[in-house]
Amino acid sequence: GAVVSQHPSWVICKSGTSVKIECRSLDFQATTMFWYRQFPKQSLMLMATSNEGSKATYEQGVEKDKFLINHASLTLSTLTVTSAHPEDSSFYICSASVKRVYYEQYFGPGTRLTVT
Amino acid sequence: AQKVTQAQTEISVVEKEDVTLDCVYETRDTTYYLFWYKQPPSGELVFLIRRNSFDEQNEISGRYSWNFQKSTSSFNFTITASQVVDSAVYFCALRGNTPLVFGKGTRLSVIA
Repeated sequence: GAVVSQHPSWVICKSGTSVKIECRSLDFQATTMFWYRQFPKQSLMLMATSNEGSKATYEQGVEKDKFLINHASLTLSTLTVTSAHPEDSSFYICSASVKRVYYEQYFGPGTRLTVT
Repeated sequence: AQKVTQAQTEISVVEKEDVTLDCVYETRDTTYYLFWYKQPPSGELVFLIRRNSFDEQNEISGRYSWNFQKSTSSFNFTITASQVVDSAVYFCALRGNTPLVFGKGTRLSVIA
């Protein structure tokens, strides 16, 4: 149980375009979803937390207009990187929780984004 | 604020050696959870263990063991008789009343 999927697993896009990454909880309803970013050889840094039906809460330094998060249902959250630039190239990992932030987090397999 | 420190950036051992990965944490929460994750080259995080702040019992699972000491705010991870398949980045993480906070990770290389 508690499986989280991400799609796509990797994507290459051109600078200036937008790309959408999906995160789905397959066998449970995720009240809260989290998006992390991991640069090569670095740790996972939390970008934002979203509760179903509410606006996402972004961490300091994360541009909310650039990284659009939508958590429209209890099983799906999307991260859209708008007007992508090469410096946005990174590994994006989502995680989902059945309750609020203090509960267990289940991780997706990650999406590797390369912006050329 | 929550903070996790993994002072060892990279460790290299020869197969069959034992290796200990250090983790020190900071939190003001009285209830919190500590985790270890393994991240192989594929990138997917593999959950290894969760320990809550009220349970200081050490745990052993096969070749893996964990030592939780509240007095020193440490949650160290030992791999006994390491194998090449243990090569990965290992992250220690902390969750209190906030989402998981990760340490910077320790890259373990096990050489045959």
